Amino acid sequence: GAGVSQSPRYKVAKRGQDVALRCDPISGHVSLFWYQQALGQGPEFLTYFQNEAQLDKSGLPSDRFFAERPEGSVSTLKIQRTQQEDSAVYLCASSLGGGGNTIYFGEGSWLTVV
Amino acid sequence: DQQVKQNSPSLSVQEGRISILNCDYTNSMFDYFLWYKKYPAEGPTFLISISSIKDKNEDGRFTVFLNKSAKHLSLHIVPSQPGDSAVYFCAASRYSGGYQKVTFGTGTKLQVIP
Repeated sequence: GAGVSQSPRYKVAKRGQDVALRCDPISGHVSLFWYQQALGQGPEFLTYFQNEAQLDKSGLPSDRFFAERPEGSVSTLKIQRTQQEDSAVYLCASSLGGGGNTIYFGEGSWLTVV
Repeated sequence: DQQVKQNSPSLSVQEGRISILNCDYTNSMFDYFLWYKKYPAEGPTFLISISSIKDKNEDGRFTVFLNKSAKHLSLHIVPSQPGDSAVYFCAASRYSGGYQKVTFGTGTKLQVIP
């Protein structure tokens, strides 16, 4: 597609529920990033994929967070047993290559845990 | 440890005047710098970037200045327009672990008053 596509745009989850957030990057983009943005803050790095390989997951806040990109295109960020502090916007971004400097964001998935 | 800092959370400017948004960084390994613009309920949109080997990059009404010795960059918007009202994020990247890792500041909310 023309841009990075994310779904769902909005998700309300009950505490303890599992959620899955989907990202469809720009076609041909090798690199895919997930960021978490809390209210009034900048995007915080979660994890990075180069094709299907997850090269960096140092930003994932706990083992309840899991990301995958099995075929090197679409990626899913899964949050198990959601907690209120997980409420944030989850941003997916992609770039052309691992050495590419400009990353392009999707519109984000807004997660509210109640 | 906030490696990219935007110390002004907000800025108001009259339409037609210059807007100057500032950003400081602490990690001398950063070699590429970017500015993103974000409207409410949308993902960040790439605006302009600069390599560490340059001190200025211009694109239309937008100019980014880099002062490496001071670890400081700024975004100038001339003339400012009401449509420029948005949150602006400064970002810095460095090659780490096989890819360009991008770190964001906390953002500056710009309001351009008609």
